[in-house]
Amino acid sequence: EAGVTQFPSHSVIEKGQTVTLRCDPISGHDNLYWYRRVMGKEIKFLLHFVKESKQDESGMPNNRFLAERTGGTYSTLKVQPAELEDSGVYFCASSHYLNEKLFFGSGTQLSVL
Amino acid sequence: AQTVTQSQPEMSVQEAETVTLSCTYDTSENNYYLFWYKQPPSRQMILVIRQEAYKQQNATENRFSVNFQKAAKSFSLKISDSQLGDTAMYFCAFHFGNEKLTFGTGTRLTIIP
Repeated sequence: EAGVTQFPSHSVIEKGQTVTLRCDPISGHDNLYWYRRVMGKEIKFLLHFVKESKQDESGMPNNRFLAERTGGTYSTLKVQPAELEDSGVYFCASSHYLNEKLFFGSGTQLSVL
Repeated sequence: AQTVTQSQPEMSVQEAETVTLSCTYDTSENNYYLFWYKQPPSRQMILVIRQEAYKQQNATENRFSVNFQKAAKSFSLKISDSQLGDTAMYFCAFHFGNEKLTFGTGTRLTIIP
């Protein structure tokens, strides 16, 4: 069984540019989460999808961040325009049911210069 | 709101020794879950161990065990007979109900040959 995959693994962009991160959850997992870790700080929740619907987006920093989950399968997280403080590692995780073990991807390291 | 505190940013220990990582948390809830996740250099977040708050017995997984002190809101991880492959960032996390995971800032553990 394939795990959670994230693409790209690394992205280096300049301030003001746009970047789109992609997450493919484990097949059949309805719950998909995005988290972010800024260097040296805790991993913070961004949002939670149940199938294609946003269940909780209380962690999204601002309106420069847009997340979608097409047809309840893969998800994208777009940052437009990117700022320096957006640098960090963006993790995606999925689970079949709520309160079940989360399976994490390897993350996307985003560097905004 | 729940908070998770890991007071040891970095630790190192000789191979084969035992090491304990500290974690404290703050919550007003009674039934919740606590986790330790490991993030090796590959960046894949891996679940190490999970504890249900309603269980008094401490969880164990091979060389990994926890000391769960509910009244003190403490959840430390003990790694016995440490191995080089245990070198990683370790994150303590809290989960309640339908809410997202709340993580600590992590402890970077280095196993010295």
